Amino acid sequence: GNSVTQMEGPVTLSEEAFLTINCTYTATGYPSLFWYVQYPGEGLQLLLKATKADDKGSNKGFEATYRKETTSFHLEKGSVQVSDSAVYFCAPGPGGFKTIFGAGTRLFVKA
Amino acid sequence: GAGVSQSPSNKVTEKGKDVELRCDPISGHVSLFWYQQALGQGPEFLTYFQNEAQLDKSGLPSDRFFAERPEGSVSTLKIQRTQQEDSAVYLCASSLGGGADTQYFGPGTRLTVL
Repeated sequence: GNSVTQMEGPVTLSEEAFLTINCTYTATGYPSLFWYVQYPGEGLQLLLKATKADDKGSNKGFEATYRKETTSFHLEKGSVQVSDSAVYFCAPGPGGFKTIFGAGTRLFVKA
Repeated sequence: GAGVSQSPSNKVTEKGKDVELRCDPISGHVSLFWYQQALGQGPEFLTYFQNEAQLDKSGLPSDRFFAERPEGSVSTLKIQRTQQEDSAVYLCASSLGGGADTQYFGPGTRLTVL
């Protein structure tokens, strides 16, 4: 079955710093890859996704590239804001209920 | 439009009591999912409905857990004879079509079993 390892948190950055959250996965076949975000007091929501190798998912300034050769899907943002403070989950899967979520990486951005 | 809502937002109960958690999915969404999220962990799948049919309940940890969606909209997750290890956040999600569509999550119910 699928599994995922993501960078342990918390990650603390100053505003406008560069963000990388590492994610590697093991999977049978070629899964779709997802990043979900959970803002304080809100439900989990899809941030971005990529469905095949070399695809780049992007949203709200965040990007992640599906790297089949390294089985990775690292999340990056060039300049973080305080409002990006949240917990980020990497998730490989075919989608839907078969998606496996990582343990989450908490990000704190200081003004 | 309204998103997925869950109630109660917090529930504290004593070991051995029964609890009932409610999920109101987005109107018209066919699929509904329940997840359990332990502290510091990602969500883990419990069960999946397509309309009123429970198509997968392989993630339910024991027969004390029971979920239903009798009219294909609102769903309830019932936990009987709660144990301390049941303490977690219970998330509900819905999607428009089948199981592989984008899921929309509710804010969750935090259950604490004393």
